[in-house]
Amino acid sequence: GDSVTQTEGLVTLTEGLPVMLNCTYQSTYSPFLFWYVQHLNEAPKLLLKSFTDNKRPEHQGFHATLHKSSSSFHLQKSSAQLSDSALYYCALSGLNSGGSNYKLTFGKGTLLTVTP
Amino acid sequence: GPKVLQIPSHQIIDMGQMVTLNCDPVSNHLYFYWYKQILGQQMEFLVNFYNGKVMEKSKLFKDQFSVERPDGSYFTLKIQPTALEDSAVYFCASSLDRNTEVFFGKGTRLTVV
Repeated sequence: GDSVTQTEGLVTLTEGLPVMLNCTYQSTYSPFLFWYVQHLNEAPKLLLKSFTDNKRPEHQGFHATLHKSSSSFHLQKSSAQLSDSALYYCALSGLNSGGSNYKLTFGKGTLLTVTP
Repeated sequence: GPKVLQIPSHQIIDMGQMVTLNCDPVSNHLYFYWYKQILGQQMEFLVNFYNGKVMEKSKLFKDQFSVERPDGSYFTLKIQPTALEDSAVYFCASSLDRNTEVFFGKGTRLTVV
């Protein structure tokens, strides 16, 4: 079955340093990959979704590249801000769902803390 | 932006009792979902619902679970009877279409004692 692995449970960075949160996946088919962000006391919210045409999605300074060869969709940002402190979930939607939202498979999440 | 509302944020229930978790999805959305997150674990898909019917459910969606959205009102998850292992945060979500952005609620923390 589908699975998503986020190796870091907790990442602490100083403001201004680059961010990279790891995400690897296993899927029988070619899935869509997503990053969701959940700020304290807020709902999880979609940050990025992979494209079918290998374009790199970007939002709020974050970007991620889908590498099918390594089954990865790492989240990156060139310079961390204090407001980036949040819980980040990687998720996939497998082709057996028609690439739809029918069933998202989530990783355990990475808590990013950005300090001054 | 669009919001999915879940009320209450925390519910405590005695084992064996019935509980209904309420979700007010985004008003024009047509697809509805429930996810379960046990403390320290990932969010896991429970069920999706469209046009008054369950489209797909996971193994976590036990026989004691049911969902409905009567008359376009709240989308509900009912557990009857509850068990200790049902303690978790339950996230409701909705989307306009099967391929459009899914909006999540903040979750209801259910504690079964």
